[in-house]
Amino acid sequence: DADVTQTPRNRITKTGKRIMLECSQTKGHDRMYWYRQDPGLGLRLIYYSFDVKDINKGEISDGYSVSRQAQAKFSLSLESAIPNQTALYFCATSDPSGRGGNEQFFGPGTRLTVL
Amino acid sequence: GENVEQHPSTLSVQEGDSAVIKCTYSDSASNYFPWYKQELGKGPQLIIDIRSNVGEKKDQRIAVTLNKTAKHFSLHITETQPEDSAVYFCAASIGTGTASKLTFGTGTRLQVTL
Repeated sequence: DADVTQTPRNRITKTGKRIMLECSQTKGHDRMYWYRQDPGLGLRLIYYSFDVKDINKGEISDGYSVSRQAQAKFSLSLESAIPNQTALYFCATSDPSGRGGNEQFFGPGTRLTVL
Repeated sequence: GENVEQHPSTLSVQEGDSAVIKCTYSDSASNYFPWYKQELGKGPQLIIDIRSNVGEKKDQRIAVTLNKTAKHFSLHITETQPEDSAVYFCAASIGTGTASKLTFGTGTRLQVTL
């Protein structure tokens, strides 16, 4: 089974709709991240959480919110989706105190299209 | 904040040739520089990383070099193979612990042709 899973893998929605993207991990990592990937722009950090009680904005948090329901779950919400939020979204985890050090482990991504 | 520039955006090499991807960073406090490989339909995966107290690191056919004075680092892939075709991202991070957020470059699409 994959260590970091994302649901759904693909989603098409309409402008103004509320959307939730979910991320689950079995790695036991405290740190979780949400990124969006756009062609020519690389990966940009939306939100990150260093533990269940810690939520921080990344460089492009406007229009997004997150919820860290448990150590293993980190959800990203678009309260009112707009077309320029069409992108590939990735969840990632890390455990700086563990063997992986600063390595981030990425999920398979969610492709979101907002019409 | 940190800014990471990556070049080229696309790179095509023949199988067996070498490929070099270059990145520059803006914050002299950055001290951790990983490289990620993203295959089609998958999330990025770490392939090699280097810390600022080291000038070069090698792992089989891939190597990374770091020039702290010039604030640039490079990925070198020798004897390229078709399975090296992917998008490669460089990144930079300041410190570990609470400060360990990564800033990514814009990516390089590498195509290895037969």
